Amino acid sequence: GENVEQHPSTLSVQEGDSAVIKCTYSDSASNYFPWYKQELGKRPQLIIDIRSNVGEKKDQRIAVTLNKTAKHFSLHITETQPEDSAVYFCAASIPVGGSSGGGADGLTFGKGTHLIIQP
Amino acid sequence: ETGVTQTPRHLVMGMTNKKSLKCEQHLGHNAMYWYKQSAKKPLELMFVYNFKEQTENNSVPSRFSPECPNSSHLFLHLHTLQPEDSALYLCASSQVGRDEQYFGPGTRLTVT
Repeated sequence: GENVEQHPSTLSVQEGDSAVIKCTYSDSASNYFPWYKQELGKRPQLIIDIRSNVGEKKDQRIAVTLNKTAKHFSLHITETQPEDSAVYFCAASIPVGGSSGGGADGLTFGKGTHLIIQP
Repeated sequence: ETGVTQTPRHLVMGMTNKKSLKCEQHLGHNAMYWYKQSAKKPLELMFVYNFKEQTENNSVPSRFSPECPNSSHLFLHLHTLQPEDSALYLCASSQVGRDEQYFGPGTRLTVT
């Protein structure tokens, strides 16, 4: 089955600086890679995602890059703010029923990165 | 209420009890999921339902029994649990054919 590794487990950055979180996956059939943000005591919230036919995607201060050959993807947060402090999870999914998909797929998650923004 | 809701939000049960967790989605989705979130492990997929049919059981012990009576509701029936089953149980939903999954707030389960 799929295995997702995430690094670092904890990341502390100064407010205004950039943060980068990296993930690797094992199964080359994975084709969908979301990132979730989870604040303490709250549900995971989808913040950005990327599919295997795209190399990079950006949404305001956050961006995700994907390297299919190396099987790794990264989350980039620029101009960090105190409200960015949270645990971030990467995930990967393999299409049900082969590459043609057609079903709903469970996600395999990384262990999470605790991002701390220092004022 | 909108989005994905879960009840109860907190549950304490003994090892011999039987209880059920409930999830309801108000997004018009047709796929639903159960995940387990423990303190020192990644979020773990437990079950997947597509159009009320179970399509994945991720080697979950039989003391966890899911039920999906329709596309909007998902239950997790619990019996004879162990203390190591204490965790946050998260429900999610999505639209078949679309990848984005939306999570409920979770049920914090403590097994004593």
